[in-house]
Amino acid sequence: QSVLTQPPSASGTPGQRVTISCSGSSSNIGSKTVNWYQQVPRTAPKVLIYSDKHRPSGVPDRFSASKSGTSASLAISGLQPDDEADYYCAAWDDTLNGLVFGGGTTLTVL
Amino acid sequence: EVQLLESGGGFVQPGGSLRLSCAASGFSFSTYAMTWVRQTPGKGLEWVAALSGSGGSIYYADNFKGRFTISRDNSKSTLFLEMNSLTADDTAVYYCAKDYSSMPVAGTGDHWGQGVLVTVSS
Repeated sequence: QSVLTQPPSASGTPGQRVTISCSGSSSNIGSKTVNWYQQVPRTAPKVLIYSDKHRPSGVPDRFSASKSGTSASLAISGLQPDDEADYYCAAWDDTLNGLVFGGGTTLTVL
Repeated sequence: EVQLLESGGGFVQPGGSLRLSCAASGFSFSTYAMTWVRQTPGKGLEWVAALSGSGGSIYYADNFKGRFTISRDNSKSTLFLEMNSLTADDTAVYYCAKDYSSMPVAGTGDHWGQGVLVTVSS
C-alpha cells in the first residue's frame, strides 16, 4: 500500500479535461513539494510537474497541477490519445525520511 | 544535454549480488543528489535510495536497508547501487534519476536513465 493515494484508473474522451488526485499527509504533501511523472508503458518515467506546479520546458501547458493542504492534483485539459499513460505523484516524507510515490493512475483515452 | 546511462543489470541467482552503475553527463554531477527507483513487473514506481551531491547524506527505503548500498564517485560522475542477498522479489527495472537540488528532499526525476533490468532467478 502506497503512502500517497491515487485512484488506480481515470479515463476521458479526446478534448476532455481529466484530473488525477494524490492524497498524503502532513509529513509529505503537507510540508514538501510534489512532483508528477508520466510513464508510457515500457519506457522511463518523465517529469510533468515539479515543485507542486511548475512545468519543465517542453511539457505542454495542457498539463497543470495544484496543491492544497495534504492533497495534490494533476489536471490534463484537451485530452489527446498520446496522453494514455501511467501517472505518478511523489513527495519527500519527513517521517520516513525518504521519497514516497503514489500507486499510480492509469489514464485511458476512450 | 543531461544523460544518465545505467549498466550492470542481468541475471543473478537468489542470494547473489549485483552492482549497478549510472554514468552521468551533461551537468555538474557533484552539485545534485541522485536517486535509485525501481519498478517490479506490472507494478508502480518504488523509491530505493538517494544520496546527496557530496555523498555525505544517504537515505534508504526501509525495504532495502542493510541489503543495498548507494554510493557515488563524483570524480567519475557515476552513481552506484550495490545489491546483496537478492531474492526473486528484487526482479525489477532499476532507474537512476537526477534530483532537483543537492539534497533529495526537493524530489527526483529531473532526468531519468533508460533503466536496467535485474532478474533474480535460479
